[in-house]
Amino acid sequence: DTGVSQDPRHKITKRGQNVTFRCDPISEHNRLYWYRQTLGQGPEFLTYFQNEAQLEKSRLLSDRFSAERPKGSFSTLEIQRTEQGDSAMYLCASSLVRAEKLFFGSGTQLSVL
Amino acid sequence: KNEVEQSPQNLTAQEGEFITINCSYSVGISALHWLQQHPGGGIVSLFMLSSGKKKHGRLIATINIQEKHSSLHITASHPRDSAVYICAVSSRAAGNKLTFGGGTRVLVKP
Repeated sequence: DTGVSQDPRHKITKRGQNVTFRCDPISEHNRLYWYRQTLGQGPEFLTYFQNEAQLEKSRLLSDRFSAERPKGSFSTLEIQRTEQGDSAMYLCASSLVRAEKLFFGSGTQLSVL
Repeated sequence: KNEVEQSPQNLTAQEGEFITINCSYSVGISALHWLQQHPGGGIVSLFMLSSGKKKHGRLIATINIQEKHSSLHITASHPRDSAVYICAVSSRAAGNKLTFGGGTRVLVKP
């Protein structure tokens, strides 16, 4: 257990539905990152927060994706109008600003039918 | 061309064999990371390197900054070492976000 928790572990949804994932980072970590991983590939960066500020978003993050970290603690990632291509493992990681080591959650596996 | 390239993509070894995984990168970095991912998704950080060599148990990681190359070695491999090993790089200037290689799937047979 790395101390980063993600919920749910698995999500099955129908195309067109909205889904929301949650990440609870290690409590003192002020940086929080979202990554997406498809089968057989390495993870790809989506976005990251420092405290409550979203500092960078990848071009992979289309308008259907939105992420928040309202109080600088937990974060949510919402996908609207899901498509089959959104099926992937969504990983969250956290770290301290001054440290480069990231701690990963176990991920949320999304399947869009 | 990907910024982080790993080789091989797949590797099968017999228990006890010495395993080497290679990683090359093409961008400026602050640190290089070796991570382990078991089936089910969880990623664990094994090493974070900015120079030289680190050792932890049967695992050894080296980096050559001039050649932009790193290797991960597993000595006396064991079936429990079977996992995907991922190389990633980070830069403080880029918010320490990781750029990942494609991973090397390692299977150690008893």
